[in-house]
Amino acid sequence: DVKVTQSSRYLVKRTGEKVFLECVQDMDHENMFWYRQDPGLGLRLIYFSYDVKMKEKGDIPEGYSVSREKKERFSLILESASTNQTSMYLCASSLLGSSSYNSPLHFGNGTRLTVT
Amino acid sequence: TQLLEQSPQFLSIQEGENLTVYCNSSSVFSSLQWYRQEPGEGPVLLVTVVTGGEVKKLKRLTFQFGDARKDSSLHITAAQPGDTGLYLCAGAGSNDYKLSFGAGTTVTVRA
Repeated sequence: DVKVTQSSRYLVKRTGEKVFLECVQDMDHENMFWYRQDPGLGLRLIYFSYDVKMKEKGDIPEGYSVSREKKERFSLILESASTNQTSMYLCASSLLGSSSYNSPLHFGNGTRLTVT
Repeated sequence: TQLLEQSPQFLSIQEGENLTVYCNSSSVFSSLQWYRQEPGEGPVLLVTVVTGGEVKKLKRLTFQFGDARKDSSLHITAAQPGDTGLYLCAGAGSNDYKLSFGAGTTVTVRA
């Protein structure tokens, strides 16, 4: 089974802090994604990556950056945390293939971030 | 971004009853996926539908993809408390790495 591991289940940070959320997957998947999940809004894509050192903006990239130095690891960075970034953050991975749009996402268990 | 609307937002039923969750869009999708998310966990894929009009069954769960590939439904027969969770639909355009998610339907099955 694919395992996607997020380093922290809960984080509490102060406004203005730089925050790192780490995600590791063990199935050699090419694609990795960062979503945030808020009640009533569903999952919104922040950034994704389809290869090492490659990244593309999702729907809500403002205030975030990402890093993918190794295939198995995808980091989300909040340059200067703000209270409106309090949310559940979900990392996911999937295979890249000719029918990549059918590839299921494998999610981690999420990091609940609170910014005070 | 292609928008997906799910209805209802919340559903609370008694064990043994049937329920249907809907996922609608004005956009055409090349495929549509359904996920279930339990508290404290990430979403887990239930099914992917690809062909317009397709019906897939997973034990007591029946998934249907609309003929025009703009909508989908999930029907649960004789719901059990273990079916409790957040059900999410997600659609993909062709040649697109990105999925668009609906806001989800929270299903509670009371024993």
